[in-house]
Amino acid sequence: EPEVTQTPSHQVTQMGQEVILRCVPISNHLYFYWYRQILGQKVEFLVSFYNNEISEKSEIFDDQFSVERPDGSNFTLKIRSTKLEDSAMYFCASSLFDRPGVFGSGTQLSVL
Amino acid sequence: GESVGLHLPTLSVQEGDNSIINCAYSNSASDYFIWYKQESGKGPQFIIDIRSNMDKRQGQRVTVLLNKTVKHLSLQIAATQPGDSAVYFCAEKMLRGALTFGSGTRLQVQP
Repeated sequence: EPEVTQTPSHQVTQMGQEVILRCVPISNHLYFYWYRQILGQKVEFLVSFYNNEISEKSEIFDDQFSVERPDGSNFTLKIRSTKLEDSAMYFCASSLFDRPGVFGSGTQLSVL
Repeated sequence: GESVGLHLPTLSVQEGDNSIINCAYSNSASDYFIWYKQESGKGPQFIIDIRSNMDKRQGQRVTVLLNKTVKHLSLQIAATQPGDSAVYFCAEKMLRGALTFGSGTRLQVQP
């Protein structure tokens, strides 16, 4: 069964550093999403991406965040200057149609 | 503001019993709802969905009920198994497939 693959599974970084979280969506999918889940809290939407542009973003997705699909297979989330409160599990998801998609297993980001 | 939320944080059931997990939503304009299962260390896994023009939908061992009058959603799991132990989230679909998740209910299945 096709999967959404996320790397790394765990990323540790110092506050103020830039991080790039990587995702390989399912190959024929057209819609891509990033969500995050702070420990013990609910999953929160960050951004959706379609046709090489952001189609929707939440209040969380401020100027320190950016997304990119640099080639035909990868979908990345960049956090320019990490803060302690960015520590969370980040999930990538993809879908073929405009409907909830398949989630990856997540990247646990720890900001020290 | 509008929100999607859950009544019970933890539900403990005996193996073989039926489980019912509840969710209240407040956005009356919502037209699509999804239940997800999340096991420890994994991403949310789609279980079943329902559109607002329906009040019931059945899958394999799972049933989702939607009561738009009281803005209530439930997930019924028949013959609950140890493998069903997880956190269950209801979610509401926004534009372009983006989701608003509820707070989650932990289901514990006792052997």
